[in-house]
Amino acid sequence: EVQLVESGGGLVQPGGSLRLSCAASGFTFSSYAMSWVRQAPGTGLEWVSGISGRGSSTYYPDSVKGRFTISRDNSKNTLYLQMNSLRAEDTAVYYCAKDYGSGSPYYFDYWGQGILVTVSS
Amino acid sequence: QSVLTQPPSASETPGQRVTISCSGSSSNIENNYVYWYQQLPGTAPKLLIFRINQRPSGVPDRFSGTKSGASASLAISGLRSEDEADYYCAAWDDTLSDYVFGTGTKVTVL
Repeated sequence: EVQLVESGGGLVQPGGSLRLSCAASGFTFSSYAMSWVRQAPGTGLEWVSGISGRGSSTYYPDSVKGRFTISRDNSKNTLYLQMNSLRAEDTAVYYCAKDYGSGSPYYFDYWGQGILVTVSS
Repeated sequence: QSVLTQPPSASETPGQRVTISCSGSSSNIENNYVYWYQQLPGTAPKLLIFRINQRPSGVPDRFSGTKSGASASLAISGLRSEDEADYYCAAWDDTLSDYVFGTGTKVTVL
């Protein structure tokens, strides 16, 4: 059974940093691309980063480019999202999502339960 | 601001059919696959339809997807109370080089 469990969320001040983790199990982690998707309170879904199965390629929308860094440790079956220079508008539930493919974002067949990140002073 | 536009809400009585539209452009829907996700209240999204009209194992055939040009649609037939959820379309956008989601549609079973 595929399981994705996020951790590392919480309250952070504007301008601060936070690192999210996603522990994966139930599938061959290194064979699949992974992504992070967020959902601000009361709003829709926004894709915020993707990484290929081997970790050699990363993808970001302009809204987070230069501030967020996605990475993975295939030996630990863990996905990360390093978030720097956080803003109030980054407040959201962040979901870890497994991709069907191994390269650029394709579609997400499994999702974690989500972790809340609140950016506020 | 999402590049994929959906109606904010849709409603129908149990047993009826409801259709949700997703309007995009040549840089996303028209030249790429479309996907649909269902988000039940208080839960994580779940893949509902992939590659325009394919259903993952476990998704009932009451759910179906279609595409025509730069627009796509999700139809739910034989509507049930458990179908009350938010529904999002999604696609890769070649111009933005982003994976884009639709604005979302809240389905209410009257």
